[in-house]
Amino acid sequence: DADVTQTPRNRITKTGKRIMLECSQTKGHDRMYWYRQDPGLGLRLIYYSFDVKDINKGEISDGYSVSRQAQAKFSLSLESAIPNQTALYFCATATGSGNSPLHFGNGTRLTVT
Amino acid sequence: QQQVKQSPQSLIVQKGGISIINCAYENTAFDYFPWYQQFPGKGPALLIAIRPDVSEKKEGRFTISFNKSAKQFSLHIMDSQPGDSATYFCAASISSRSGGYQKVTFGTGTKLQVIP
Repeated sequence: DADVTQTPRNRITKTGKRIMLECSQTKGHDRMYWYRQDPGLGLRLIYYSFDVKDINKGEISDGYSVSRQAQAKFSLSLESAIPNQTALYFCATATGSGNSPLHFGNGTRLTVT
Repeated sequence: QQQVKQSPQSLIVQKGGISIINCAYENTAFDYFPWYQQFPGKGPALLIAIRPDVSEKKEGRFTISFNKSAKQFSLHIMDSQPGDSATYFCAASISSRSGGYQKVTFGTGTKLQVIP
């Protein structure tokens, strides 16, 4: 979905390095999410945000932090990367009320060596 | 603790056959049950969704069956085609009617292969 852009698409980094994954959207959605995808584990929620001033931890937030710089931008940081954070990371957006579908970016494949 | 359990993990179906993927949930507060389809190199995309006051929803070859008392729901793909080969995720969502809150929990995924 070109309306939700994730950068970079691929990243290889070393253990202990700080890394930021970026997400920007042109859909005008208030809600933004970060998920991690691992084989056999599905998509697990890391952080979610309903507006610029609202940040919530998901199921697996340890080792991650986020920043909602604007309505359109939501960044995920790994302060000190470790190998078990090797995964496919997805950003998603949704409209701001009731139940609404998530719109995903095409993901960032992160490898921590 | 997996709040949404999905099975099978993988599925091979002949072209023209029926693909069935099952999910079960724990939390009765969930009020929206979408299915997402993911192709390699892409993010998941909404396929079809159902609310708990409905027992079945059909869109083309795709049908969701929902059993509220059993806390189970399933995706049926009729006349499966090779182009349906993808990974399918069930999900369950909780939201607030007036505020911005929405939390979506996913199953573990089913990799479907439709062979000619």
